[in-house]
Amino acid sequence: DIVMTQTPLSLPVTLGQPASISCRSSQSLVHSDGNTYLSWLQQRPGQPPRLLIHKISNRFSGVPDRFSGSGAGTDFTLKISRVEAEDVGVYYCTQATQSRTFGQGTKVEIE
Amino acid sequence: EVQLVESGGGLVQPGGSLRLSCAASGFTFSYSWMTWVRQAPGKGPEWVANIKQDGSEKYYVDSVKGRFTISRDNAKNSLYLQMNSLRAEDTAVYYCARDFYRDLDYWGQGTLVTVSS
Repeated sequence: DIVMTQTPLSLPVTLGQPASISCRSSQSLVHSDGNTYLSWLQQRPGQPPRLLIHKISNRFSGVPDRFSGSGAGTDFTLKISRVEAEDVGVYYCTQATQSRTFGQGTKVEIE
Repeated sequence: EVQLVESGGGLVQPGGSLRLSCAASGFTFSYSWMTWVRQAPGKGPEWVANIKQDGSEKYYVDSVKGRFTISRDNAKNSLYLQMNSLRAEDTAVYYCARDFYRDLDYWGQGTLVTVSS
């Protein structure tokens, strides 16, 4: 199985400041079809996960442009340009290149 | 508007069975792969199973193989998860999600399964 490792696991942030979450996979996520199936999910308290970013850097419908994704191969990053109160929650990276696995999650909270 | 509504969760004894359902609306269900994902209390999500549009391909995480069966009824726009020989470690919220070209783009609210004596 591909292991997804996120850092940090806890991220205190100041409103209006940027935030960044890293995700590393145990092997390359480049699929034989040329796509890299790395997504980011947001889970607000008491809510189901919600798709934010797919295929490394594509924002899903309705996702604010303060969220951006980048990376390649085995190293990926989710950035929030200016954190808002509604961004509090747990963020997961997930890969679907080989079966599907999830990172441990990064808890974003306002300090 | 895409909607996925799970049902069928509850409290069951170890070794027991449950059948989860997911009612889909707002998109062409028969065109979509569908997936079950579970999340144990305080833990991250775990992929459980997925199924192709016509039901001809099904895949499972190793820990549920031989115990869980995913199925669908395209005429009823419904997805199912039959869970047998349940164990304490199957306790989780179970979500159905649309699997759009390997992106889980829409999720239901989930249904809680508790396995305990």
